[in-house]
Amino acid sequence: IAGITQAPTSQILAAGRRMTLRCTQDMRHNAMYWYRQDLGLGLRLIHYSNTAGTTGKGEVPDGYSVSRANTDDFPLTLASAVPSQTSVYFCASSDKAGDYNEQFFGPGTRLTVL
Amino acid sequence: GQNIDQPTEMTATEGAIVQINCTYQTSGFNGLFWYQQHAGEAPTFLSYNVLDGLEEKGRFSSFLSRSKGYSYLLLKELQMKDSASYLCAVRDSNYQLIWGAGTKLIIKP
Repeated sequence: IAGITQAPTSQILAAGRRMTLRCTQDMRHNAMYWYRQDLGLGLRLIHYSNTAGTTGKGEVPDGYSVSRANTDDFPLTLASAVPSQTSVYFCASSDKAGDYNEQFFGPGTRLTVL
Repeated sequence: GQNIDQPTEMTATEGAIVQINCTYQTSGFNGLFWYQQHAGEAPTFLSYNVLDGLEEKGRFSSFLSRSKGYSYLLLKELQMKDSASYLCAVRDSNYQLIWGAGTKLIIKP
C-alpha cells in the first residue's frame, strides 16, 4: 500500500528552468492538494482539485500550474523557477473536499532554486 | 485576514504532560485539525474537533471552544518519540485548511 508518492525526493534547479513535481495516490481520493512549507510559516496551499477534471487556486498560486486529468495524478509545474520557490512541497489527498475528511500527505519534495 | 497562532517552541520532560495552545481567527469555521510532523517527514493526522469540548484518543486529547476561537492539544505520559512539531489547522468557509506555523515540542529525559 503506497498511499501518496511524490517524485523527485529532492531537486536542485537553475533559475528559469521548467520543473514538474509528480504526485500519485492510490486511495481513490477525490480531492488533492499542493502545499509549500517554509521555515517559520504554516503550510500554504498552492492549488487544489476537488475532483478529477477540476482545479482551483489556493493562497499562493502565482508561478505554479496544475492539472488533474485523472483521479490518481496531480502534477505541479513551475514554468520558470525563481529562487523564492525554494521550499519543501507536499502533496496531499482526502476522500472528499469537505466534511470530516483528514488529509493524507506525501513524503514531500525538497526543491532548491539557484 | 485569517490567522492561526501557536507557540513557536515548547520544552517538556519525559513522562510529564504538556498542553499546546492554538488560537484562530478565520473566515468561517468548519472544523479544527491537529497534525504531528517529525523533522524531515510529512504531517500525519492526530485529531479533529468540530463541536465544543474534549476529544480523547489514547495519550492525546484535543479541546475546542468555538466562541473563544481556541483549541489545545494535550499530550500525556510524554515519550521521547513525541518530539516533533504539532500543527493546528482550521477549515474555513471555503473548506480550505488554514495552517498555523506549528509548535516544535522538545522532550528532555
